[in-house]
Amino acid sequence: DAGITQSPRHKVTETGTPVTLRCHQTENHRYMYWYRQDPGHGLRLIHYSYGVKDTDKGEVSDGYSVSRSKTEDFLLTLESATSSQTSVYFCAISERETGYAYEQYFGPGTRLTVT
Amino acid sequence: AQSVTQLGSHVSVSEGALVLLRCNYSSSVPPYLFWYVQYPNQGLQLLLKYTSAATLVKGINGFEAEFKKSETSFHLTKPSAHMSDAAEYFCAVSSGGSNYKLTFGKGTLLTVNP
Repeated sequence: DAGITQSPRHKVTETGTPVTLRCHQTENHRYMYWYRQDPGHGLRLIHYSYGVKDTDKGEVSDGYSVSRSKTEDFLLTLESATSSQTSVYFCAISERETGYAYEQYFGPGTRLTVT
Repeated sequence: AQSVTQLGSHVSVSEGALVLLRCNYSSSVPPYLFWYVQYPNQGLQLLLKYTSAATLVKGINGFEAEFKKSETSFHLTKPSAHMSDAAEYFCAVSSGGSNYKLTFGKGTLLTVNP
């Protein structure tokens, strides 16, 4: 299994509070991604990173920010959590090599509940 | 733009029966295609991938998928279902190049009945 950990694995928080989720990898992969998974929607990309301090928005980035100060860590922050951000959050990593197809490897997920 | 459509949000088969999970894609360039499996309360695991080397791709756990350009399809099959195959399956597409993002389908939940 790819060396990807996510913390915390479960979190319950109140509306309006800030929340930070952490993704840590030991594979030294360049690309890292944050997704959210909701019933009936599959996985939707929130933000991604293509290197240290290089990040960009995905399709559902409103209300989220990210930071990557080290290759191994990618942080997802909800500045002011809302109930619509209750979801399961997955981190993924990938590495681009010539001839490779950008397959991504996923962490175990963080279940976030906003009350 | 790229997109994926998985036909059938829920498929139910008997143990030992053929498994067929359908995936159709849309891509403006030759795509890379993937199938992932997710067991309850776990992350996604790569089952197999298509990278243009061969149209019939074999993956783990006895699954395979065939790329059909004319039908823009990449259906997942397994000749004989096992109880342990019960999970959710996701098809994903990437257009490669400078686009290193995957676009996922909404998933198909496979139930295997004894």
